[in-house]
Amino acid sequence: DGGITQSPKYLFRKEGQNVTLSCEQNLNHDAMYWYRQDPGQGLRLIYYSQIVNDFQKGDIAEGYSVSREKKESFPLTVTSAQKNPTAFYLCASSITGTGDNEQYFGPGTRLTVT
Amino acid sequence: DQQVKQNSPSLSVQEGRISILNCDYTNSMFDYFLWYKKYPAEGPTFLISISSIKDKNEDGRFTVFLNKSAKHLSLHIVPSQPGDSAVYFCAASSYSGAGSYQLTFGKGTKLSVIP
Repeated sequence: DGGITQSPKYLFRKEGQNVTLSCEQNLNHDAMYWYRQDPGQGLRLIYYSQIVNDFQKGDIAEGYSVSREKKESFPLTVTSAQKNPTAFYLCASSITGTGDNEQYFGPGTRLTVT
Repeated sequence: DQQVKQNSPSLSVQEGRISILNCDYTNSMFDYFLWYKKYPAEGPTFLISISSIKDKNEDGRFTVFLNKSAKHLSLHIVPSQPGDSAVYFCAASSYSGAGSYQLTFGKGTKLSVIP
C-alpha cells in the first residue's frame, strides 16, 4: 500500500527549540516537497528536492532546514530562527521531469510552538 | 505578488446543483493546472488537471475549463454531493530548471454542499 507518511500528527514545542518533522514515501518518487499552510492561506513551498543529496529553497525557506540522504525520506527541521513556526506542515512527492507535476501529499503535521 | 488567485473564499451550493469554482492566474509560463481537494487536518488529494494546450478536461462529475486568453480556469462539479464539501485549491505548474517543476497554489475556496 503505497503512500506518504508524516509523523507525528500533532507536535508541541517550546519556543527556542528546534524540532524535526518526519516524511517518508514508498512511491519510489524522486521529487519531494515541504509546504506550510496557515489559516486562510494556500500552500507555500518551503524546500524541495529532486534527487538524493540535493535540495533547493522554496519561497519561504528562512528558519527551516532539510536533508535528503535517502530517496524515501525528506525530514524538515524547524529551527528556533523561524519567527512564526506554528502551522500545518505538508510533505509531498512526485515523479520528476513531468510538467503535470501531480504531487501526492501526506496527512500533515500540525506544529504548535508556545 | 499572488500568481494564482481564488477570489471566492467560500461557496454554498444545494445538493444536486452545479458547483463552479474559479481561479485566475498571471504567469503565462504555467503549463499545467491542477485542482486539489482538501478536508480539514488532512493532506490535499489530486482531483483533476488540464494542460495549457487544452481548453477542457472531464473526469466523471468533474470538468475543468481553461481560458488562456483570459488567464482563467474553472472547476465544475455536477451534480454536487454533500461529500464534495471541502476546500478546493487551484494550482499551476511551472518549470523551475534542471528538470524540475513547481506548483504555485491559490488560497483555496471552501465549498459547502447543502443537503
